[in-house]
Amino acid sequence: AQSVTQLGSHVSVSEGALVLLRCNYSSSVPPYLFWYVQYPNQGLQLLLKYTSAATLVKGINGFEAEFKKSETSFHLTKPSAHMSDAAEYFCAVRSRAGGTSYGKLTFGQGTILTVHP
Amino acid sequence: GAVVSQHPSWVICKSGTSVKIECRSLDFQATTMFWYRQFPKQSLMLMATSNEGSKATYEQGVEKDKFLINHASLTLSTLTVTSAHPEDSSFYICSASIGGTNIQYFGAGTRLSVL
Repeated sequence: AQSVTQLGSHVSVSEGALVLLRCNYSSSVPPYLFWYVQYPNQGLQLLLKYTSAATLVKGINGFEAEFKKSETSFHLTKPSAHMSDAAEYFCAVRSRAGGTSYGKLTFGQGTILTVHP
Repeated sequence: GAVVSQHPSWVICKSGTSVKIECRSLDFQATTMFWYRQFPKQSLMLMATSNEGSKATYEQGVEKDKFLINHASLTLSTLTVTSAHPEDSSFYICSASIGGTNIQYFGAGTRLSVL
């Protein structure tokens, strides 16, 4: 079974500071990994995905994430936070394996990012 | 591209009534659609997976007779909450994926409030 753990339900940074949102996964085979952002009362928007090409993945809005197999991590970073980055962020894993889990996304608990002026 | 439309965005209903939520892929054919439920301050929990023309596959603990899913075409899936009760109040989100890809595109969600 696959699982995702996001360390820290709330992260607060100042505008212009580094953003680091942590995600660790558990999977029997190297999975596909995703980061989504959710603004209040809205659905999820894909920020970036890892599908086994480059381990450093660049996404939209200046975000990037690095897949580290040895650490089973896929942390999300952004060098300089903007006020508009305030939202909830979800890390998700999708199994490459077949069977009943195929195609399903398993989400982490979410991390609410607050950006202070 | 890859826009998923969900309707309605907000619905209030009386206890005992049924509510239908629509999920449409506007500019692509979605071979698979997913329905999620999200409680306040919690993550998304997958309710069911539906493939066009076949019965939905429900996750453990999800009542298939209460949450009826129909995926009649490659662009439309519906979720009907039958005989809704206050505990069914939640944020329901659908997603759609194109066959052979590993990306799900999400709708904007439907907030259901059962009085």
